[in-house]
Amino acid sequence: GESVGLHLPTLSVQEGDNSIINCAYSNSASDYFIWYKQESGKGPQFIIDIRSNMDKRQGQRVTVLLNKTVKHLSLQIAATQPGDSAVYFCAERTGTASKLTFGTGTRLQVTL
Amino acid sequence: DADVTQTPRNRITKTGKRIMLECSQTKGHDRMYWYRQDPGLGLRLIYYSFDVKDINKGEISDGYSVSRQAQAKFSLSLESAIPNQTALYFCATSDSVRGTGELFFGEGSRLTVL
Repeated sequence: GESVGLHLPTLSVQEGDNSIINCAYSNSASDYFIWYKQESGKGPQFIIDIRSNMDKRQGQRVTVLLNKTVKHLSLQIAATQPGDSAVYFCAERTGTASKLTFGTGTRLQVTL
Repeated sequence: DADVTQTPRNRITKTGKRIMLECSQTKGHDRMYWYRQDPGLGLRLIYYSFDVKDINKGEISDGYSVSRQAQAKFSLSLESAIPNQTALYFCATSDSVRGTGELFFGEGSRLTVL
């Protein structure tokens, strides 16, 4: 989940296992949510998005779940691979289109 | 070639110096943003621009200024750099026509202020 501080939460997962990365968002009026992946030395890259009128959306090997009741978002990665190692950010949009607020990120480490 | 290009990629400067980070995009998007990334703090919005004549402050605009020279160009300036502006800076774009809210990021500009 989100936290303010210098230490990035880290999730360590064995290759082939499923990963679940969680995010608590702040604004109940947010209508759109995105997960980004950031590899070392690169800019964030879009993974998957979901609108607030949905509670689940699936992509290739990834699923996003949205629970508006508790303001919680999760990213599930199936059969995690070494290339999935990165920092993952959730972002929420409230009000003005395209103005996103980002969470602090979770580092995913994939062990062999 | 990258769709969103930032220059310089790395810069070391001294306190009090003026610094400009430049961003150009070939995506044809109307909206552009500057974010700052610090360890453990995620991405924070500095300034954003929804078109050439529109400039808006983000959550941490103090000490920064921007210029939208053209639809494809958006620069960030630090008039008098200070050490706590040491960070990784990202430019991003989005398309209001598509309206999804997805941001497309550049590769980042790492700034160190001594």
